[in-house]
Amino acid sequence: DAGVIQSPRHEVTEMGQEVTLRCKPISGHDYLFWYRQTMMRGLELLIYFNNNVPIDDSGMPEDRFSAKMPNASFSTLKIQPSEPRDSAVYFCASSLASQYDTQYFGPGTRLTVL
Amino acid sequence: RKEVEQDPGPFNVPEGATVAFNCTYSNSASQSFFWYRQDCRKEPKLLMSVYSSGNEDGRFTAQLNRASQYISLLIRDSKLSDSATYLCVVAQGTGGFKTIFGAGTRLFVKA
Repeated sequence: DAGVIQSPRHEVTEMGQEVTLRCKPISGHDYLFWYRQTMMRGLELLIYFNNNVPIDDSGMPEDRFSAKMPNASFSTLKIQPSEPRDSAVYFCASSLASQYDTQYFGPGTRLTVL
Repeated sequence: RKEVEQDPGPFNVPEGATVAFNCTYSNSASQSFFWYRQDCRKEPKLLMSVYSSGNEDGRFTAQLNRASQYISLLIRDSKLSDSATYLCVVAQGTGGFKTIFGAGTRLFVKA
């Protein structure tokens, strides 16, 4: 079975531009998570969804960040406008039936904002 | 105090050595515990869940001490392929669900 799929794998953009990251969770998984990883702050949970509904977005750093999950097989994380401090690796993960279950991570999107 | 704390290492050990990592967490209401492994420039992958009774998977043993709020991971007979960063993960549901990752402990196993 395919794992969590993320695109693009790498993104380089200029400050002020809109960035959209995409994620396809494992089929049948009810929970989807977005994380950000930096050297300084490690892995941080940004937001998570249950059955396509956002449950907790308290980790989203600012209003410039937004996430959607229009259906069970697709989610986006959008940054508008992007800033250099948003440079990080963004991971999407999914879990089967509970937020306490094992989370399976995608390969990540390495974002560089110049 | 950080919610989940790990010794960052690095731990440099020879092949065949036994190495142990500890992790402490601050919220006594934490509900689930895991060890994840992350290779350089790769995504985290589950190594093992941690149960109250302790659990073993081949060369790996994980233990949970709720009274002292720490989790441990023991690796026996280290292999070169064990070189990675090991992340302690705590999931808690009080005040809203959170998955908190430790900063990770780097392990280098050398021939």
